[in-house]
Amino acid sequence: EAGVVQSPRYKIIEKKQPVAFWCNPISGHNTLYWYRQNLGQGPELLIRYENEEAVDDSQLPKDRFSAERLKGVDSTLKIQPAELGDSAVYLCASSLEGRGGKLFFGSGTQLSVL
Amino acid sequence: AQSVTQLDSQVPVFEEAPVELRCNYSSSVSVYLFWYVQYPNQGLQLLLKYLSGSTLVKGINGFEAEFNKSQTSFHLRKPSVHISDTAEYFCAVSDQTGANNLFFGTGTRLTVIP
Repeated sequence: EAGVVQSPRYKIIEKKQPVAFWCNPISGHNTLYWYRQNLGQGPELLIRYENEEAVDDSQLPKDRFSAERLKGVDSTLKIQPAELGDSAVYLCASSLEGRGGKLFFGSGTQLSVL
Repeated sequence: AQSVTQLDSQVPVFEEAPVELRCNYSSSVSVYLFWYVQYPNQGLQLLLKYLSGSTLVKGINGFEAEFNKSQTSFHLRKPSVHISDTAEYFCAVSDQTGANNLFFGTGTRLTVIP
């Protein structure tokens, strides 16, 4: 069974440029999460989808970040424009279970903003 | 709101020695507790979780953890570590009554020394 697939694996951009990350969750997983992991920190939730609906985006900086999950399958996270402080690893995860369920994580996209 | 504290950022231990990674949490509501492991260049994987019942939980790769409600702790243990256990370990909590959003600690880097 294929796991959560993220691309690209690495991305280097200059500040003020746009960037997009893509995630394909495990087939059949209705819940999709985007996390951000700063260096030396644990992952922090940005947004959670139930199918195509964003049910929790309270931690998403909406002035520059946007996300979509068309058709309730794969998802895209965008930053426009990127700032130096956005350098981090962006993780996607998916889950089939409800509360207390296991999350399956992708390998992440490491973003460096110069 | 929930928070997780992992007091030890780095734990070096010799091969075949026992290890304990500490985790304390804070929450105004009942929580589920998790330990995830992140091997180099891989996504986070679930080691074990506590939902209810027996406070001693056994996970994969010989790890176990004990939930202590009075001390609000969920320490991870292994009686004999292997080189392959070298990784970053994250403790996490989620609200029992809310969404399945995980709040992570800052992680503990376990290094097993030959």
